[in-house]
Amino acid sequence: ELKVEQNPLFLSMQEGKNYTIYCNYSTTSDRLYWYRQDPGKSLESLFVLLSNGAVKQEGRLMASLDTKARLSTLHITAAVHDLSATYFCAVEGPGGGADGLTFGKGTHLIIQP
Amino acid sequence: NAGVTQTPKFRILKIGQSMTLQCTQDMNHNYMYWYRQDPGMGLKLIYYSVGAGITDKGEVPNGYNVSRSTTEDFPLRLELAAPSQTSVYFCASSYRAGVTEAFFGQGTRLTVV
Repeated sequence: ELKVEQNPLFLSMQEGKNYTIYCNYSTTSDRLYWYRQDPGKSLESLFVLLSNGAVKQEGRLMASLDTKARLSTLHITAAVHDLSATYFCAVEGPGGGADGLTFGKGTHLIIQP
Repeated sequence: NAGVTQTPKFRILKIGQSMTLQCTQDMNHNYMYWYRQDPGMGLKLIYYSVGAGITDKGEVPNGYNVSRSTTEDFPLRLELAAPSQTSVYFCASSYRAGVTEAFFGQGTRLTVV
């Protein structure tokens, strides 16, 4: 059974600081997805990581994937309040994604002025 | 472009009642999914479909049924609602599973009392 673990599950940080969210998964997978969810809203795709060593950046967020370590990181640089949200990583199942994604529990991020 | 549209947005059901959650996508995606999200948790896959006429169970299918008569529509049926089905339900679709991200609808918040 594929398991996806995120840590931390809750993070309160100050604006301007840097921090990293970690996503570990239990079985071999070359593809990992990061989503953002604002309170009461749907999920918004942030990054699609499709191979070992993939690195993607968008603004103050950077995601990377190490398939050998079964680890992805989401790094936040110089955090701003607008980045407050819940962040989920998700890994595709044995069906290559056709059979859906397995999600972590999410990291609830609060960025304070 | 409407994307993935879910109806209703909110619903209160009494124990034992039935209902259908509607999901429509206008992106001509073959892959469609139903997830549920419980408070403080990630999403869990209920059912998925890789194309019209093809459906399969996900991680938590008990108490639900689906059909996929067209590419666009993927309704989720709840029979004999139970309090354990109180959750937020998300429908998602993907153009090419394992390569492109899934797009999510706005969710249906269901309470069973």
